[in-house]
Amino acid sequence: DTAVSQTPKYLVTQMGNDKSIKCEQNLGHDTMYWYKQDSKKFLKIMFSYNNKELIINETVPNRFSPKSPDKAHLNLHINSLELGDSAVYFCASSHEDSSYEQYFGPGTRLTVT
Amino acid sequence: DQQVKQNSPSLSVQEGRISILNCDYTNSMFDYFLWYKKYPAEGPTFLISISSIKDKNEDGRFTVFLNKSAKHLSLHIVPSQPGDSAVYFCAQLYNQGGKLIFGQGTELSVKP
Repeated sequence: DTAVSQTPKYLVTQMGNDKSIKCEQNLGHDTMYWYKQDSKKFLKIMFSYNNKELIINETVPNRFSPKSPDKAHLNLHINSLELGDSAVYFCASSHEDSSYEQYFGPGTRLTVT
Repeated sequence: DQQVKQNSPSLSVQEGRISILNCDYTNSMFDYFLWYKKYPAEGPTFLISISSIKDKNEDGRFTVFLNKSAKHLSLHIVPSQPGDSAVYFCAQLYNQGGKLIFGQGTELSVKP
């Protein structure tokens, strides 16, 4: 059983397009996150949601919009894709009381051409 | 400005020996320090944590040391095994919202 799953695993698209990445967790966690790992391998938090409520919103362009339809899902929608958006995007989840132990999905490699 | 730094991008160790991975930080206002391990094409997995009020935590072959005066954290793996070969990230946890600040990672290679 996959604990945190992301789709798609790979995404290749052109500049200016709009795309979405889906994330689902079956761990019963109440907090979910999106992280971005850039070409230099830095892993940085973008957003966190607790019980469908936005908690963390780092300095991310407005083109990125997370959406949490329920506690088990946190999707990431990106408008007007740019070359600099190329990265690996990781979804993660945790219990609110033990947020030091976050469970990560396998990542989505986004390539913008 | 990088709050959490791992100055060694790579480390090679012989099987059975000790691996020591290091991490420096600038911001002392945190709740926990963590180590995560990452294999290629997979997401990071939690390895071990240490509270800001402790100076050592041990879990099997893994021990984390926290030196608050030096703002330095280290992970010791004894004995090292080839399956330990991976990228290791240290991270600070700011408990509000579960925000993790990661270092840039150290790639450990354990040779048989």
